[in-house]
Amino acid sequence: AQTVTQSQPEMSVQEAETVTLSCTYDTSESNYYLFWYKQPPSRQMILVIRQEAYKQQNATENRFSVNFQKAAKSFSLKISDSQLGDTAMYFCAFNTGKLIFGQGTTLQVKP
Amino acid sequence: GAGVSQTPSNKVTEKGKYVELRCDPISGHTALYWYRQSLGQGPEFLIYFQGTGAADDSGLPNDRFFAVRPEGSVSTLKIQRTERGDSAVYLCASSPWGQVNTGELFFGEGSRLTVL
Repeated sequence: AQTVTQSQPEMSVQEAETVTLSCTYDTSESNYYLFWYKQPPSRQMILVIRQEAYKQQNATENRFSVNFQKAAKSFSLKISDSQLGDTAMYFCAFNTGKLIFGQGTTLQVKP
Repeated sequence: GAGVSQTPSNKVTEKGKYVELRCDPISGHTALYWYRQSLGQGPEFLIYFQGTGAADDSGLPNDRFFAVRPEGSVSTLKIQRTERGDSAVYLCASSPWGQVNTGELFFGEGSRLTVL
């Protein structure tokens, strides 16, 4: 079975600090794509960052970066210089034809 | 429109009633997905269309749930004999052909269904 596990239901961070959200997954596929999505209270899912499994280099998008450990099937998200607008629920997901999501981590950025 | 549009935004119905939820994907996107999201949980896959046909309907929970996409654009999720456990936000997403495995899905804001 293909699964995604996010072990941190809730996290908080002070504005301007750095926070890391954890994600592990299980799949027998050798090539796939990993994603972090953000869901603010408006409900619309927004793509934060994408990682191709065959690429060793970790993806970065401005303040967002990932630590991808393929052997360990781990895919964590680091948010640097946290901003109040980063407050949202974050979902890890991977794609082998359909997106499979984790349970989510609620992140609160405190002023 | 510019994004994925879902109607209604909110739907309240009584147990046993029939409901339809509509999704209008981004123009030109051939792949369309339905997900169900319960409060505080991650989206759960229901069904995926490539064009007019359902490529994968393995996530539909039972035969009360059905989805169509007759012209390869707008899709309707149909729920018969609704139960209180069907209460959730139903998310629709679309993706361009060729990016089904690799690209991002573009999501709508969802339809919140409440079954009393």
